[in-house]
Amino acid sequence: KAGVTQTPRYLIKTRGQQVTLSCSPISGHRSVSWYQQTPGQGLQFLFEYFSETQRNKGNFPGRFSGRQFSNSRSEMNVSTLELGDSALYLCASSLLGVSTGELFFGEGSRLTVL
Amino acid sequence: KQEVTQIPAALSVPEGENLVLNCSFTDSAIYNLQWFRQDPGKGLTSLLLIQSSQREQTSGRLNASLDKSSGRSTLYIAASQPGDSATYLCAPDGTSGTYKYIFGTGTRLKVLA
Repeated sequence: KAGVTQTPRYLIKTRGQQVTLSCSPISGHRSVSWYQQTPGQGLQFLFEYFSETQRNKGNFPGRFSGRQFSNSRSEMNVSTLELGDSALYLCASSLLGVSTGELFFGEGSRLTVL
Repeated sequence: KQEVTQIPAALSVPEGENLVLNCSFTDSAIYNLQWFRQDPGKGLTSLLLIQSSQREQTSGRLNASLDKSSGRSTLYIAASQPGDSATYLCAPDGTSGTYKYIFGTGTRLKVLA
């Protein structure tokens, strides 16, 4: 059974650019949630999608957005990148959704903003 | 607002020791609590999920307990091995209806051979 796949694994951008990250959940899982991990702030929740609907959102500015497609694959987008957006971005999939089931994480996308 | 604290922040022990990692949270109105391990630069691996009706879960050398009323969870690792070296994170879910897990800052464990 394939796990959660995140692409790209590494990327380097410059300030002001935008970036799109992709997450393919485990087959059959309908929930995808996104997290930002930095040394200073730890692991912080960005948002969760379930059956193409955003169910909850963390305390991040509007530059962070996401969406989920009918096949449950999800993308997150960060516009107008800032140096502080450098982080490991993790996505997790769950069969029933966050708070009702076990989370399975991908390996992450490491973003460096110069 | 849920806040999660993990103690100790770091731990270094010789191989074979039994370990206790502690997690405390401020809002006891949770449904589930999950323990994860994270190797450097990697994603998180689920270790144990304790659901609201349960008080503990066991998997191999790992045992996790949950006391919702006191806002505490404990991860017990028996007969530690060098391969257990990683950061361990606990994550209670948010209060009812918030659909998210809140992560602690983790305990960084190093098991010496």
